[in-house]
Amino acid sequence: QKEVEQNSGPLSVPEGAIASLNCTYSDRGSQSFFWYRQYSGKSPELIMFIYSNGDKEDGRFTAQLNKASQYVSLLIRDSQPSDSATYLCACSPNTGGFKTIFGAGTRLFVKA
Amino acid sequence: EAGVTQSPTHLIKTRGQQATLRCSPISGHTSVYWYQQALGLGLQFLLWYDEGEERNRGNFPPRFSGRQFPNYSSELNVNALELEDSALYLCASSLVGLPSGTQYFGPGTRLLVL
Repeated sequence: QKEVEQNSGPLSVPEGAIASLNCTYSDRGSQSFFWYRQYSGKSPELIMFIYSNGDKEDGRFTAQLNKASQYVSLLIRDSQPSDSATYLCACSPNTGGFKTIFGAGTRLFVKA
Repeated sequence: EAGVTQSPTHLIKTRGQQATLRCSPISGHTSVYWYQQALGLGLQFLLWYDEGEERNRGNFPPRFSGRQFPNYSSELNVNALELEDSALYLCASSLVGLPSGTQYFGPGTRLLVL
C-alpha cells in the first residue's frame, strides 16, 4: 500500500464547476497535510495546508481533513482553465521536520 | 524576496559520470530538501539538510549524497550515474517553525543520463 494515494486522473470538469480531489494516507501519525499544484514542466507550489479535522477555506479552495478515515480532500470552486494542473497531496508525521511524503498527484483538466 | 534557485537548469551526462546540482534556499530558510521526480512519477524524497547537517534520507543508494554549506545553500552529488537517474531534481526550502511540509520549491534541474 502506498503511503499517500491519489487517483491519477485525469479529472475533467467544465469551467465554473467544483473540482473535488481526494487523497488517503496510511500513517496515522501524520499531523500536517498539504496540497501543492504543479503545472506541466514547472515545480510544485503550495496551495494550502491543514492540521485539524474539518474544513479550511482559502478563496476558491477548501481543504477537508478527516483523520479518523485518514482522508484529505481539496475542493476547487468555480474552476477555471488556469486551474488545469497536477495536484499533489502531501503528509508530514509531525512538525519536527521529518520527511514529507507526496502522493503521485491527480491531473485536473478544466474545460473552457 | 528571491525564491529558491537551482543550477544548472539542464544537465546532460553519460553513464558512470558524476553530476553536481546546486540549490540556494530562500533567504532566512535553514532547511533544504532534495527530491527526484522521474517522468510521470511523483516526488521521491532524497535528502533533508538543516543547519548544515543531514537530518533524514530517503530510500536511495549511497551514490546519492549531498551537503549543506554555512550559508545554507546545498549541493546534491550523484555518482556513477545510471540511465534511470534521468529525472527532474527539485530542491525545496523551509523555515524552522513552519510545519515540515511547508516547502517552497525551486525550478528544478533536469538531468539526462545517456
